[in-house]
Amino acid sequence: AQSVSQHNHHVILSEAASLELGCNYSYGGTVNLFWYVQYPGQHLQLLLKYFSGDPLVKGIKGFEAEFIKSKFSFNLRKPSVQWSDTAEYFCAVNSGYALNFGKGTSLLVTP
Amino acid sequence: GAGVSQSPSNKVTEKGKDVELRCDPISGHTALYWYRQSLGQGLEFLIYFQGNSAPDKSGLPSDRFSAERTGGSVSTLTIQRTQQEDSAVYLCASSSLSYEQYFGPGTRLTVT
Repeated sequence: AQSVSQHNHHVILSEAASLELGCNYSYGGTVNLFWYVQYPGQHLQLLLKYFSGDPLVKGIKGFEAEFIKSKFSFNLRKPSVQWSDTAEYFCAVNSGYALNFGKGTSLLVTP
Repeated sequence: GAGVSQSPSNKVTEKGKDVELRCDPISGHTALYWYRQSLGQGLEFLIYFQGNSAPDKSGLPSDRFSAERTGGSVSTLTIQRTQQEDSAVYLCASSSLSYEQYFGPGTRLTVT
């Protein structure tokens, strides 16, 4: 069955720490990959996406993700987190129209 | 421009009642999606519309759930005879041909 796994359910970091959130998927064939973020009380927003080309993609607010096809991974990174990055992060994959989401990672950044 | 809007933002209903949830997609977006976000299940796909047609209804949890879209725009998700397990946030998204889905703020449904 097709699935998306996010390894960390809850992450707590101090400001200025580096962030890496893992995402693995199990799909055959061509996929489109996404990271969405949900800030407290707000709706889901697209952070970044990968369709094709350079496997290192840059998104908003200093986030980036690397697609490693051989590992079926699309990990999210940020060199230095801020308190305002406190949110829930969702990895998503689609090979057609519907997005299949991971369970999400709740990130808390402490001052 | 205006994003995806959903109404109501919150709905509390008694078990057994029917509810209707509305989604207004971004103007010009031909594709519309419904998802459900709940604590136990995460984000689940429910149904997809291309124009007014729903080629994939496979995500609807039961025959109590139905959805329609009219004029290639507004969509309504209807849940009949609501059950407590239907309590969740119902999210609507829309997209053009770019596959980027833009989400609305959701409707929080509580079944008492």
